[in-house]
Amino acid sequence: QSVLTQPPSVSAAPGQKVTISCSGSSSNIANNFVSWYQQFPGTAPKLLIYENRKRPSGIPDRFSASKSGTSATLGITGLQTGDEADYYCGTWDSSLSAGVFGPGTKVTVL
Amino acid sequence: QVQLQESGPGLVKPSETLSLTCTVSGGSVSTVNFYWSWIRQPPGKGLEWIGFISNTGSTYYSPSLKTRVTISVDTSKNEFSLRLSSVTAADTAVYYCARESPVSLAEDWGQGTLVTVSS
Repeated sequence: QSVLTQPPSVSAAPGQKVTISCSGSSSNIANNFVSWYQQFPGTAPKLLIYENRKRPSGIPDRFSASKSGTSATLGITGLQTGDEADYYCGTWDSSLSAGVFGPGTKVTVL
Repeated sequence: QVQLQESGPGLVKPSETLSLTCTVSGGSVSTVNFYWSWIRQPPGKGLEWIGFISNTGSTYYSPSLKTRVTISVDTSKNEFSLRLSSVTAADTAVYYCARESPVSLAEDWGQGTLVTVSS
């Protein structure tokens, strides 16, 4: 049972936008940096977003993120079939003194 | 960019100890402000953070695994290791080593290695 909550799945047509929410609490999201990961089947996760909203080099600006209070959001615009993957949020939990991941959200391009 | 590679047995018997090593290249495990972590993913399930060790040797572990986990570092070999004792079938997973920083739970990941617990 994760301390972070994500929707199990989201979907949209090619070219459209999807948003993925990550809900937590004051002990994790509200007071620590959030990162987002993209994972294709059979491969290791890849960092998409760090420090709440920053993109590593090589990550297209179609991927954006924000944080407000105890929630964070990942947005993907101009959806492509190649974006079909699982997406995870992650952060530090100060009460647990441990890292935590959300349960993951599967993005489907219709 | 740093590269990480996991190694170790792919099959462990129940009640025994799982041992994995992560070899780091393109960077040093002694670098300040980076933490060296282990994350696992049971088949078909989500990511679970196991713990990390810092350049000073400080360790943090998941509360649910704390009594069975040890993460250590060997600076001379530029590698770090995971030991998980008293394993059961529930510990079957792909185990990833990763590099963490203050701004990201895991910046760089190894390719992962599947460990199956079975007699």
